[in-house]
Amino acid sequence: RKEVEQDPGPFNVPEGATVAFNCTYSNSASQSFFWYRQDCRKEPKLLMSVYSSGNEDGRFTAQLNRASQYISLLIRDSKLSDSATYLCVTYSSASKIIFGSGTRLSIRP
Amino acid sequence: EPEVTQTPSHQVTQMGQEVILRCVPISNHLYFYWYRQILGQKVEFLVSFYNNEISEKSEIFDDQFSVERPDGSNFTLKIRSTKLEDSAMYFCASSGRSINEKLFFGSGTQLSVL
Repeated sequence: RKEVEQDPGPFNVPEGATVAFNCTYSNSASQSFFWYRQDCRKEPKLLMSVYSSGNEDGRFTAQLNRASQYISLLIRDSKLSDSATYLCVTYSSASKIIFGSGTRLSIRP
Repeated sequence: EPEVTQTPSHQVTQMGQEVILRCVPISNHLYFYWYRQILGQKVEFLVSFYNNEISEKSEIFDDQFSVERPDGSNFTLKIRSTKLEDSAMYFCASSGRSINEKLFFGSGTQLSVL
């Protein structure tokens, strides 16, 4: 089983829609989780950390389910600028940070 | 905002040649990483570095790869004898004073091996 698994997509949704992605992880000892976004051929950039209690940042909501070992990202009122690849990230060990293969999101006008 | 800088942005080399990719992490960061991304594929962990030594490395990071922090500011990745399959974007990243902090990435070096 891969350490971090994501649905590759692409998700193609209209502007204004709500879209959600899930990501599963295999290491039950993982402590830290993040969502990054990556634009085409650019470096990954932190979107948000994921906390046990769930957290929200504007239109973005992240949730962690330790029992089922998945994290989720919800984007409300999607904008054209949200088109990107969303990367699920976890700490596999103290110094090994693993990226999922990413979920591609395309927002259409 | 402080940033991680990488040079060069593009590197073209012949198969079998040695290349050195350079990175300047954020100045008060203590954890340093190299990742690579082959075109159209995922971001892959290569190596992490802390306290002047390798903390962890992946199976990709074989004997042809090495890392150094020669002068307290630069962090380099050397590929001794490049192969065609080493062609990729190489990202350097750093994080702060404790583990589990977020990563800051450089803008990458696109390595093309001919």
